[in-house]
Amino acid sequence: GAGVSQTPSNKVTEKGKYVELRCDPISGHTALYWYRQSLGQGPEFLIYFQGTGAADDSGLPNDRFFAVRPEGSVSTLKIQRTERGDSAVYLCASSLQGGLTYTQYFGPGTRLTVL
Amino acid sequence: QQQVKQSPQSLIVQKGGISIINCAYENTAFDYFPWYQQFPGKGPALLIAIRPDVSEKKEGRFTISFNKSAKQFSLHIMDSQPGDSATYFCAATSPGYNAGNMLTFGGGTRLMVKP
Repeated sequence: GAGVSQTPSNKVTEKGKYVELRCDPISGHTALYWYRQSLGQGPEFLIYFQGTGAADDSGLPNDRFFAVRPEGSVSTLKIQRTERGDSAVYLCASSLQGGLTYTQYFGPGTRLTVL
Repeated sequence: QQQVKQSPQSLIVQKGGISIINCAYENTAFDYFPWYQQFPGKGPALLIAIRPDVSEKKEGRFTISFNKSAKQFSLHIMDSQPGDSATYFCAATSPGYNAGNMLTFGGGTRLMVKP
């Protein structure tokens, strides 16, 4: 079966522009997570969806970041007024459910570069 | 605040040798400790995980040792192979708000196994 897919794989944008990053989770997975990985660092949590709702958005750095999952499957991470500090790899992960020992399966990420 | 500290940052091991990566955590609410392996251009993939009610878990050449009182855990890779060359991340999670389980990652260890 297909794993988690993310598009685009690379995105280059200019400071101040708006970007959307897409995540297609594994079919049937109800839990979806977004993480951000800066160069040479471990991933950092951004937001967690259980079904269609954002159940925990405590990791979003500020109100320029927003994410949706309108039908409980595909999710889009939206970044407004991008800044150079937003440059990172954005990773999406899904798991069958949100419980403690359910494995999170990661996609390959979207590398965002803000010039 | 770095809740999971990982060392070393990089490690070079000869083929057939033992690779050891260490992690320490601060949050006593953490209740599940997975290790992830990441190859360049790929997302992290679960390698092995442990709950704090056991002191050791072994899967093939990979072993986690866990010391709850010291709040430390480590990954041992026996008979290291060049194909093990990757970045390894320890992580921790606890029963989360709204049943989500955001992973808190260490900073990563870049392992190189020389043939």
